[in-house]
Amino acid sequence: GDSVTQMEGPVTLSEEAFLTINCTYTATGYPSLFWYVQYPGEGLQLLLKATKADDKGSNKGFEATYRKETTSFHLEKGSVQVSDSAVYFCALWATGGGNKLTFGTGTQLKVEL
Amino acid sequence: KAGVTQTPRYLIKTRGQQVTLSCSPISGHRSVSWYQQTPGQGLQFLFEYFSETQRNKGNFPGRFSGRQFSNSRSEMNVSTLELGDSALYLCASSTVLAGPNEQFFGPGTRLTVL
Repeated sequence: GDSVTQMEGPVTLSEEAFLTINCTYTATGYPSLFWYVQYPGEGLQLLLKATKADDKGSNKGFEATYRKETTSFHLEKGSVQVSDSAVYFCALWATGGGNKLTFGTGTQLKVEL
Repeated sequence: KAGVTQTPRYLIKTRGQQVTLSCSPISGHRSVSWYQQTPGQGLQFLFEYFSETQRNKGNFPGRFSGRQFSNSRSEMNVSTLELGDSALYLCASSTVLAGPNEQFFGPGTRLTVL
């Protein structure tokens, strides 16, 4: 079945450091890929998405590129801020996958001054 | 435009009781999905409704059920609560009939089973 694998957290960085959160997926066909962010006590917010191979999603300084050859969708940001502290979820929507998102386990990011 | 709203935000129940959670989607959205979030299992899909019909169901026991009304509002019910049902229940709504789409999530209902 479809699955998403994310790097274990927590990830602790200093402000202005470079961020990478790895995400790989297994799915049949050509899924759409998403990154969601969850701040403490809140629901999920869509951060960015990519719907086909080689697409780059970007938002608020975050980027991720859909790499079909490596089945990956790694999240990157050049300079993190304390306000980026949250849990980040990689997810896929598979074609013919039953109208649902399949999520990774989430990666907690802590950014310190 | 108002976002997805869920009520109540917090709920405490005891084992064996039943509970009903409510979700109001964004105006114009006809698809509503429910997810369960726990520290151990992460985010898991419960079910999805479109135009009052359940289109897809996740791998949960029959104690978990849902419905959607003609105004697209949705409820989910859990009967005979177990300790393991303690979780954050998230509702998400979207516009399109099928295919990759953007789901907008509500803040969730935090259910604690004692």
